[in-house]
Amino acid sequence: SQQGEEDPQALSIQEGENATMNCSYKTSINNLQWYRQNSGRGLVHLILIRSNEREKHSGRLRVTLDTSKKSSSLLITASRAADTASYFCATDQDWNNAGNMLTFGGGTRLMVKP
Amino acid sequence: GAGVSQTPSNKVTEKGKYVELRCDPISGHTALYWYRQSLGQGPEFLIYFQGTGAADDSGLPNDRFFAVRPEGSVSTLKIQRTERGDSAVYLCASSPKGGRASTDTQYFGPGTRLTVL
Repeated sequence: SQQGEEDPQALSIQEGENATMNCSYKTSINNLQWYRQNSGRGLVHLILIRSNEREKHSGRLRVTLDTSKKSSSLLITASRAADTASYFCATDQDWNNAGNMLTFGGGTRLMVKP
Repeated sequence: GAGVSQTPSNKVTEKGKYVELRCDPISGHTALYWYRQSLGQGPEFLIYFQGTGAADDSGLPNDRFFAVRPEGSVSTLKIQRTERGDSAVYLCASSPKGGRASTDTQYFGPGTRLTVL
């Protein structure tokens, strides 16, 4: 089963605009990660934020984490057509005794129009 | 260096057949994960290896699914008596150490698209 929800499920914007995607999860976590996927194949890691962090930046990406609300957001600034992809949040759940397998949300499909 | 590779990239089989999907992780990575992704959904965890041993196989849907990693490197996911519902993209990922509360990045392969007719 999936850990949580991503919102919106689909997002269409013009090049140059900012894109914001939200993720909610259900259980306590060690960290939360965002991945990008093109054409339904391999996932590319974008950014990891630890449970004791509130905000993180990487280039045009900004991620926030609110553990009290069990939610995260991914902001892509100054979007480009090449940013068109599906974006997934994934959590490493705190109860896991064996390892850090990831639990993914359903994803947001982003389309950036040139 | 080389990333995670998976073979075949596509596999079409008939209901009831046996299939094997292969994953070559990044050299030196101790942890290896298998996930399954159905159309329009996020990946779902299947099994996690720490070295040669399956540390957690709680995501395997039933006993038709089995995975091995005999030498702690290459892994094979095996599906017996395939069913149409097994059709999905099977993703493999590896990370340097894994383990509880690790903050290792998981590096994903391109996946194998399995279609069961």
